Amino acid sequence: NAGVMQNPRHLVRRRGQEARLRCSPMKGHSHVYWYRQLPEEGLKFMVYLQKENIIDESGMPKERFSAEFPKEGPSILRIQQVVRGDSAAYFCASSSTGAHNSPLHFGNGTRLTVT
Amino acid sequence: QKEVEQNSGPLSVPEGAIASLNCTYSDRGSQSFFWYRQYSGKSPELIMSIYSNGDKEDGRFTAQLNKASQYVSLLIRDSQPSDSATYLCAPSVPGSARQLTFGSGTQLTVLP
Repeated sequence: NAGVMQNPRHLVRRRGQEARLRCSPMKGHSHVYWYRQLPEEGLKFMVYLQKENIIDESGMPKERFSAEFPKEGPSILRIQQVVRGDSAAYFCASSSTGAHNSPLHFGNGTRLTVT
Repeated sequence: QKEVEQNSGPLSVPEGAIASLNCTYSDRGSQSFFWYRQYSGKSPELIMSIYSNGDKEDGRFTAQLNKASQYVSLLIRDSQPSDSATYLCAPSVPGSARQLTFGSGTQLTVLP
């Protein structure tokens, strides 16, 4: 499967725990984007990364959230000390270039539930 | 003003009819436009892209773009129950590191 791979598909955490979401982009893609979708709401941009660089994190909450895309391995979205309001679907997308005409291809998402 | 506005749903059409989904955007610098389909509980799936003014057809789907009016639409001909989903409009601005800002989507239901 050469598509965008996200894991886990479902993640349950208790309040105060850490959540780690992983994303491997499509083969040949070096641009990764994270979006969050709250129930019954639209997709909200969180962060845009290239290998070893955060390009735009303007959509990331200032506290508790961080993202990385190391030279080797998947991109990681980390949420520390989760709260109930963090419950959402988190989608990763990748593109072959950062050009405006390069569409994003989405993974299946990670559904985070905070109890 | 929202950056991307889509016609509020839900939109219901009978099977076989034409479904018309509309989108307006505020950033005049937008150059590329994408339509995604999202089934309930699933991830967004790219179905159409359009870059120039006019119409672009792909099977039962036609995208229409009018940059002067900052308007893009998606027509679905011969609608099928399997087309029932939320459709997301996403303009893209050159040089914008965020690349895509999504509309809130229009939920389409095709009634058999």
